Amino acid sequence: EIVMTQSPATLSVSPGERATLSCRASQSVTSSLAWYQQKPGQAPRLLIYGASTRATGIPGRFSGSGSGTEFTLTISSLQSEDFAVYYCQQYNHWPRTFGQGTKVEIK
Amino acid sequence: EVQLVESGGGLGQPGGSLRLSCAASGFTFSDYNMNWVRQAPGTGLEWVSYISGSDNTIYYADSVKGRFTISRDNSKDSLFLQMNSLRDDDTAMYYCVSSLICSGGGCRTHWGQGTLVTVSS
Repeated sequence: EIVMTQSPATLSVSPGERATLSCRASQSVTSSLAWYQQKPGQAPRLLIYGASTRATGIPGRFSGSGSGTEFTLTISSLQSEDFAVYYCQQYNHWPRTFGQGTKVEIK
Repeated sequence: EVQLVESGGGLGQPGGSLRLSCAASGFTFSDYNMNWVRQAPGTGLEWVSYISGSDNTIYYADSVKGRFTISRDNSKDSLFLQMNSLRDDDTAMYYCVSSLICSGGGCRTHWGQGTLVTVSS
């Protein structure tokens, strides 16, 4: 099973600042990597697939990069609605696996 | 508009069974692979199972293999998860999730609102 490790567990950021979230895979997942955002009481929402392609309706301040085992989600200027938990998921191998999540909180 | 509506959650006994359903609308259901993903209270996401659109290719997480069965009825635009031999650690919100659906130049996955399964005696 591919283990996905996200860091940091919690990221404290002020509105308007840049946030950088990391995700590492225990072995290569090529570019088969997705990022999800989840707010309390809501289902997750797909932000990024294919490591760097924004999903429908996702603002340009969200960007993804990386391939192989190292991936990054960058939120260029945090808005109030961006404070949430973010998960990465690999879909190159079975079973599909998620990271444990990074909580982005208001500093 | 794509909609996924889960049902069938509730209280299950350890060792007992529950059957979850997911009613799909707004897209050609048979064209798309589907998944179940769960989330135990206060924890992260866990992928549970996958079924292909039409050739019945199926995969399971090790934690549910041999106990859960995924199926679909494309004539009724419905996805199912038969959950047997329930354990306490099956307690979670269960989400029905589509594969990428692309329209109007963009793609996204769709998630239902979830159905809560609680396993307790």
